[in-house]
Amino acid sequence: AQSVTQLDSHVSVSEGTPVLLRCNYSSSYSPSLFWYVQHPNKGLQLLLKYTSAATLVKGINGFEAEFKKSETSFHLTKPSAHMSDAAEYFCVVSGNNQGGKLIFGQGTELSVKP
Amino acid sequence: EAQVTQNPRYLITVTGKKLTVTCSQNMNHEYMSWYRQDPGLGLRQIYYSMNVEVTDKGDVPEGYKVSRKEKRNFPLILESPSPNQTSLYFCASSLRGLVGDTQYFGPGTRLTVL
Repeated sequence: AQSVTQLDSHVSVSEGTPVLLRCNYSSSYSPSLFWYVQHPNKGLQLLLKYTSAATLVKGINGFEAEFKKSETSFHLTKPSAHMSDAAEYFCVVSGNNQGGKLIFGQGTELSVKP
Repeated sequence: EAQVTQNPRYLITVTGKKLTVTCSQNMNHEYMSWYRQDPGLGLRQIYYSMNVEVTDKGDVPEGYKVSRKEKRNFPLILESPSPNQTSLYFCASSLRGLVGDTQYFGPGTRLTVL
């Protein structure tokens, strides 16, 4: 079975400081991994995805994530937080079964202080 | 513009009154899916469809029905809603529902069952 654990339910940073959102996964197969962002009262937007190509994945809005198989991690980072980054972030693994089901982590709420 | 649309965006109803939430995509995607989002649980899959006339249960299908008569539409039906179905619902689509396919999400439907 596949699963995703987001290690922090809430992260607070100051504007201009680095962002680190942590995600560990469990998978019997070579996983596809995603980060989605959900701004208040909005739908989900894809930030980036990993599909067994380069282990360092660059996404939109300056975010990137590194796939580390040895640590079963896929942490999301950004060098400098912006107020507009305040949102909920979901780490997601794609199930290797018929259905293309996405398995979501519980979410990490990112707050950005001025 | 490529998008997934849902209607209504907000709905308040009473126990037992049948309702339908519509979902439509204009990207000619074969795969469509419904998720519900509850605090602390992330998103969980309700039903999915690999193509027209092909549907299957996700992780939390109880109390829901779906149909896929046309490629672009995938309505979610609650024949006898109950308060535990109060949730935020998302429709999503992807090209073929394969592992690694990006899923595109609608804006969400917030349902309250009294």
